[in-house]
Amino acid sequence: QKEVEQDPGPLSVPEGAIVSLNCTYSNSAFQYFMWYRQYSRKGPELLMYTYSSGNKEDGRFTAQVDKSSKYISLFIRDSQPSDSATYLCAMSTRGSNYKLTFGKGTLLTVNP
Amino acid sequence: GAGVSQSPRYKVTKRGQDVALRCDPISGHVSLYWYRQALGQGPEFLTYFNYEAQQDKSGLPNDRFSAERPEGSISTLTIQRTEQRDSAMYRCASSLDEGLAQHFGDGTRLSIL
Repeated sequence: QKEVEQDPGPLSVPEGAIVSLNCTYSNSAFQYFMWYRQYSRKGPELLMYTYSSGNKEDGRFTAQVDKSSKYISLFIRDSQPSDSATYLCAMSTRGSNYKLTFGKGTLLTVNP
Repeated sequence: GAGVSQSPRYKVTKRGQDVALRCDPISGHVSLYWYRQALGQGPEFLTYFNYEAQQDKSGLPNDRFSAERPEGSISTLTIQRTEQRDSAMYRCASSLDEGLAQHFGDGTRLSIL
């Protein structure tokens, strides 16, 4: 079993929909949780960075961490065609916070 | 401002050759990371530098892989005696300090024939 599991999709939604992306993990030592967006042929771009459990909101994006369930989510409200990309979750431990462990990524398409 | 710059963008070489991949981090970023990303997968950690010191090389697959950052800025990842299984996208990232947000480059696509 991989340390971080992420459904690769693909996920296709109409413009304006609320999108929910999720990851589960097995390592209880993970303390830092990130979501990256990766456009085709580009490097991953950091979207959200959270520490431990709770919610964090940034514009149309909300990140949730539930450490008791080892489950993290990214919600995108009012999705736009420009949100079409691969979304990768990543996490790290307090002792090695520089070493990111990524999920496989979920390919999202927002249709106009 | 300029992001993380990697060169070459594409590298095709024959099995057995040595290759050197270059990373130029964002100016002022003291931490530099190398990852490898297979198709349809997330990046996998290879190694990490803080300034010129290699702090963690636990992700390097074997001793054919090495990395350096001699002046605490530009870094080179070298793969000796390349094998077909080394074919992948190699990504570099940098951050202002250890543990802070990592900014990724667009990668070097390495293909071993």
